[in-house]
Amino acid sequence: AQSVTQLGSHVSVSEGALVLLRCNYSSSVPPYLFWYVQYPNQGLQLLLKYTTGATLVKGINGFEAEFKKSETSFHLTKPSAHMSDAAEYFCAVRAMNSGGYQKVTFGIGTKLQVIP
Amino acid sequence: NAGVTQTPKFRILKIGQSMTLQCTQDMNHNYMYWYRQDPGMGLKLIYYSVGAGITDKGEVPNGYNVSRSTTEDFPLRLELAAPSQTSVYFCASSSPLNQPQHFGDGTRLSIL
Repeated sequence: AQSVTQLGSHVSVSEGALVLLRCNYSSSVPPYLFWYVQYPNQGLQLLLKYTTGATLVKGINGFEAEFKKSETSFHLTKPSAHMSDAAEYFCAVRAMNSGGYQKVTFGIGTKLQVIP
Repeated sequence: NAGVTQTPKFRILKIGQSMTLQCTQDMNHNYMYWYRQDPGMGLKLIYYSVGAGITDKGEVPNGYNVSRSTTEDFPLRLELAAPSQTSVYFCASSSPLNQPQHFGDGTRLSIL
């Protein structure tokens, strides 16, 4: 079984401040990890992904995430928040289940508010 | 460069009516998915398909049906609409292995 926990359904930061969105996962097999962003009235767009190799992953719009196996975490960060970063962010884990299907599980999402 | 296309974008149904949400993708992806998104609940998987002719239930399949006759299309059918099915529905597709999903813009469905 696999699961994703996003701590904090709402996060507020000041413009220019560090953005930190937390994601912890559980998986019985090596997972692939993703962060998606959703702007109002739109679908989800890929921010970044971790598959194998380098544990620090860089994505679009200045975001990055670090895969920490020992902590089962994949937190999303950005050094300096912009107003345009206000959106909802979803962490997702994808892993092979016993039936040979690559199951995807999403967290409940974190709404990021950027205060001017 | 269309990606995943969902129609309609908005719909209001009366209780007991039926409708089909359309989803088509032009990326030749084998995997396709239907999710519903409710406030504060994240994305719940309704049905998925790993290829034409192959579908399976997700977490919340009750009240829905799907078919997959072609690689491109994956329609979702609501037979007897209920207020609990008021939601935003997203279709997604992906290739196998370690690739991300591509999402449509969603269908906002209200059942009154």
